Amino acid sequence: GNSVTQMEGPVTLSEEAFLTINCTYTATGYPSLFWYVQYPGEGLQLLLKATKADDKGSNKGFEATYRKETTSFHLEKGSVQVSDSAVYFCALTEGTNAGKSTFGDGTTLTVKP
Amino acid sequence: DAGVTQSPTHLIKTRGQQVTLRCSPKSGHDTVSWYQQALGQGPQFIFQYYEEEERQRGNFPDRFSGHQFPNYSSELNVNALLLGDSALYLCASSFLGERGGYEQYFGPGTRLTVT
Repeated sequence: GNSVTQMEGPVTLSEEAFLTINCTYTATGYPSLFWYVQYPGEGLQLLLKATKADDKGSNKGFEATYRKETTSFHLEKGSVQVSDSAVYFCALTEGTNAGKSTFGDGTTLTVKP
Repeated sequence: DAGVTQSPTHLIKTRGQQVTLRCSPKSGHDTVSWYQQALGQGPQFIFQYYEEEERQRGNFPDRFSGHQFPNYSSELNVNALLLGDSALYLCASSFLGERGGYEQYFGPGTRLTVT
């Protein structure tokens, strides 16, 4: 079956530091890959996506590149802000049906001033 | 344009009881998926409804059932509640239609506590 493994948290960074959250996946086919963000007390928000190998998803300064050879989709940001503090989830879906997704367990990011 | 809405926000039930959670999808969306998110974990797919039928199902027992109405809204029903059913229940909507849909939009969730 499909699975997603994220680096364990929590991750604590100072403002303006560089962020990397690792994500690797196992899938039987050619999945689409996603990063979601969850702020306290809220549902998940789509942060970025990539639907085929070598695609780079980007949004709000965050980036992730779909690496088929290493089955990875690591999230990066060059300079984090306090407002980026949240839980980040890596996810995959097979085919074009985003409604059935497999999620990692999430990585909690805390950014300190 | 309203996003995905869910009700109620919080719910407390006793073991053995039954519960119904409700979801209204984002305008223009035709598909609703339900997820269970236990504390400290990622969401787990329960099932998906499209055209008023259960399209796909995750690894959840038959105590979990659902329904989709002609206006695309959906209900999640859980019978014979167990303590382990305590979780945040998330609804997500997407447009499957003819072209498929890569993106899903989540509601804020319903926090269910079983005592």
